[in-house]
Amino acid sequence: VIWMTQSPSLLSASTGDRVTISCRMSQGISSYLAWYQQKPGKAPELLIYAASTLQSGVPSRFSGSGSGTDFTLTISCLQSEDFATYYCQQYYSFPRTFGQGTKVEIK
Amino acid sequence: EVQLVQSGAEVKKPGESLKISCKGSGYSFTSYWIGWVRQMPGKGLEWMGIIYPGDSDTRYSPSFQGQVTISADKSISTAYLQWSSLKASDTAMYYCARLGSGGIAAAGDYWGQGTLVTVSS
Repeated sequence: VIWMTQSPSLLSASTGDRVTISCRMSQGISSYLAWYQQKPGKAPELLIYAASTLQSGVPSRFSGSGSGTDFTLTISCLQSEDFATYYCQQYYSFPRTFGQGTKVEIK
Repeated sequence: EVQLVQSGAEVKKPGESLKISCKGSGYSFTSYWIGWVRQMPGKGLEWMGIIYPGDSDTRYSPSFQGQVTISADKSISTAYLQWSSLKASDTAMYYCARLGSGGIAAAGDYWGQGTLVTVSS
């Protein structure tokens, strides 16, 4: 099993801030990493796949980087609609695993 | 337009059986893996397993192996998640998701709206 450590679990930020969320793997996964956004009462939405490829329709203020064991999701200029919970997920091996989630809240 | 439409909320008693569904449309249902994800109240996401509707190849996460059955009926473009004997701890929101192009090694690019399962005596 690949263990994932996502941090921080809670991030307080203001509109316009640049925020960064980290995801660290217990072993290398090349670039088989996705990032999802989930708002309360809604299904998750794919933001980024293959560690750094933006899903169609996702604003360019979202970006992903990393490979191997360390990955980062960056929101360059936080907008009001970005306050949500974010999850990383590896799809390199079975079982597929998610990070614990990062809730981005209004400061 | 790709859509995954899940069956409605269920309220069941412990020990009862249940089968929930996820109907795909707007794409070739037999060409993409479908996964199931559990979200317990106030908690994070857990990947349960995946199925390839084209040949019903199925992979389970160890935590869910033997606890649920994933199946698909390609004739009606529908995937299923079923329990033979529900427990209170099965109370959760369940999502289906299509894995994108890239085959089995792909992220979930389209998601169903979720099915809330409540198990209570």
